Amino acid sequence: QLQLQESGSGLVKPSQTLSLTCAVSGGSISSGGYSWSWIRQPPGKGLEWIGYIYHSGSTYYNPSLKSRVTISVDRSKNQFSLKLSSVTAADTAVYYCARVGGLTLDSYYFDYWGQGTLVTVSS
Amino acid sequence: SYVLTQPPSVSVAPGQTARITCGGNNIGSKSVHWYQQKPGQAPVLVVYDDSDRPSGIPERFSGSNSGNTATLTISRVEAGDEADYYCQVWDSSSDQGVFGGGTKLTVL
Repeated sequence: QLQLQESGSGLVKPSQTLSLTCAVSGGSISSGGYSWSWIRQPPGKGLEWIGYIYHSGSTYYNPSLKSRVTISVDRSKNQFSLKLSSVTAADTAVYYCARVGGLTLDSYYFDYWGQGTLVTVSS
Repeated sequence: SYVLTQPPSVSVAPGQTARITCGGNNIGSKSVHWYQQKPGQAPVLVVYDDSDRPSGIPERFSGSNSGNTATLTISRVEAGDEADYYCQVWDSSSDQGVFGGGTKLTVL
């Protein structure tokens, strides 16, 4: 059974960079042609797509975050990462990593999710 | 960018049928996916590609999509179905994933 686990700093100061890692177990991040994504949820609010990294290494980002987001993969460690720069209080949220289950953009859904990690932006 | 519109809340009595809608411009031309999220938990995929169910999801959960509205239908609703439900698509015009605002299902 595939499992995803987020890790990283739970408290980030304003203007600094948020860094999170998603460790994948129970399967190889490089197999099956799957892609990997980050999604966030501010407290009491809905889900927001952040971006994803295609199995080829190409990335797609939410246009509203594009200038601040980087998603990368470390295949040797079977994990992928999120960096969000110049954070503000509006970036306070639970951050989820997820596998993109569909193999084409016509069928783009998230079939495995991490448990989520709360990141608070505060001085 | 593409907008998905869901009703904030839906209420239903146990044993009845709940229908949660997701509106979007010509959404029938897209593949729609649905997630269930219980308090303090990660979302769970309950329907993908409009009407397919992942393994382990009860047959009571079904989906349809046509025109400007996609619908998640939950038959014979149980107390354990009480949760937030989100629809989601890929918007190819802006190359981004899009979620609806979510619907809170209350079982009376």
